Amino acid sequence: DAKTTQPPSMDCAEGRAANLPCNHSTISGNEYVYWYRQIHSQGPQYIIHGLKNNETNEMASLIITEDRKSSTLILPHATLRDTAVYYCIVRGSGGSNYKLTFGKGTLLTVNP
Amino acid sequence: EAGVAQSPRYKIIEKRQSVAFWCNPISGHATLYWYQQILGQGPKLLIQFQNNGVVDDSQLPKDRFSAERLKGVDSTLKIQPAKLEDSAVYLCASSLFGEQYFGPGTRLTVT
Repeated sequence: DAKTTQPPSMDCAEGRAANLPCNHSTISGNEYVYWYRQIHSQGPQYIIHGLKNNETNEMASLIITEDRKSSTLILPHATLRDTAVYYCIVRGSGGSNYKLTFGKGTLLTVNP
Repeated sequence: EAGVAQSPRYKIIEKRQSVAFWCNPISGHATLYWYQQILGQGPKLLIQFQNNGVVDDSQLPKDRFSAERLKGVDSTLKIQPAKLEDSAVYLCASSLFGEQYFGPGTRLTVT
């Protein structure tokens, strides 16, 4: 079973920031938070991951709460091409713990 | 850098027939994964290889599904015989460390 809870859908206006929440209240100390997205008819695409600290890359920012029970993925300036299903995944480290357990994710629709 | 390659992209078969999917991972990636994605759901891991050894196949329906990764590079996933409920997209992914890189998938329709 997926260890995360995400809203099924969200809307965002083009050019605005998209903030996607994720709850992972049962996360363990050595588990990472990963975000992937899946554009229609494509395979999932890695976005970002973090353990404790906030992270930023060219695609997005990841904000993890101090107690690590929730996180937010931020797309700073959403475009129409960002319309996709976004998956928040808690993943362990090492061997079979590298596997990703996907939930249903959040369908983000960016509107013009 | 070339991505994960999969073929075929689409396949339509009748139930009880057999089918095989092929995956070529990113060069140098030791870990290879096969996922099944049913319409409206997230991908579900079927099997994980580390080089040519199986790390996790706990969710692989072994009575009809089989997979191999000879020489630790390419991999094939086979279904024999297929059932209607096997209609799904079959995704292959590979990784060197943590991040997994996915191929475009093979869309299987069983009629």
